[in-house]
Amino acid sequence: DAGVTQSPTHLIKTRGQQVTLRCSPKSGHDTVSWYQQALGQGPQFIFQYYEEEERQRGNFPDRFSGHQFPNYSSELNVNALLLGDSALYLCASSLYGGEGYEQYFGPGTRLTVT
Amino acid sequence: AQKVTQAQTEISVVEKEDVTLDCVYETRDTTYYLFWYKQPPSGELVFLIRRNSFDEQNEISGRYSWNFQKSTSSFNFTITASQVVDSAVYFCALSEIRSYNTDKLIFGTGTRLQVFP
Repeated sequence: DAGVTQSPTHLIKTRGQQVTLRCSPKSGHDTVSWYQQALGQGPQFIFQYYEEEERQRGNFPDRFSGHQFPNYSSELNVNALLLGDSALYLCASSLYGGEGYEQYFGPGTRLTVT
Repeated sequence: AQKVTQAQTEISVVEKEDVTLDCVYETRDTTYYLFWYKQPPSGELVFLIRRNSFDEQNEISGRYSWNFQKSTSSFNFTITASQVVDSAVYFCALSEIRSYNTDKLIFGTGTRLQVFP
């Protein structure tokens, strides 16, 4: 049973560039949430996707956008990168309408902006 | 607004000691979930427990136990006879209960536990 997978593992970008992070949910899951975890902090909710639509959004600027594909996988895009965007980006998946209150997390993508 | 406070930034213990990690939460909701997650150095958040606001029974799972007290808005986590493998960052989290889908998790800032041999 495949768990949540994320790619790439690590990424280094320059300020002003754009980045795309990818997530494949746990087998059987249809909802994907993204979190940003700055160093020494708890994860902060970015947004959640279900049925290819953004269902909830946290307090993040429009530079952060996402997409969900028909196979439930998801992308997180960040435009005009700032130094403060350096963080571990975590993807979590869950099942709509089932025991959906457990979110299973992937290993994360560590983004460094220089 | 929802908020989770983990006042202990870092705790160090020697193996076999018992240790309690504190969690205090704030919410205006009458129904909610509380969680504990473990984050080892690899970075992946590992689910430990979920508790809903209707159930104040304490829970024990092996060396782990949880004490939920609604009156003090606390959900504390105790590791009995700690082991080196317990070294990690532990997060307490809160979410609303929604009818059909998973709500966002509100995390505390985490407690780093170091267990020395």
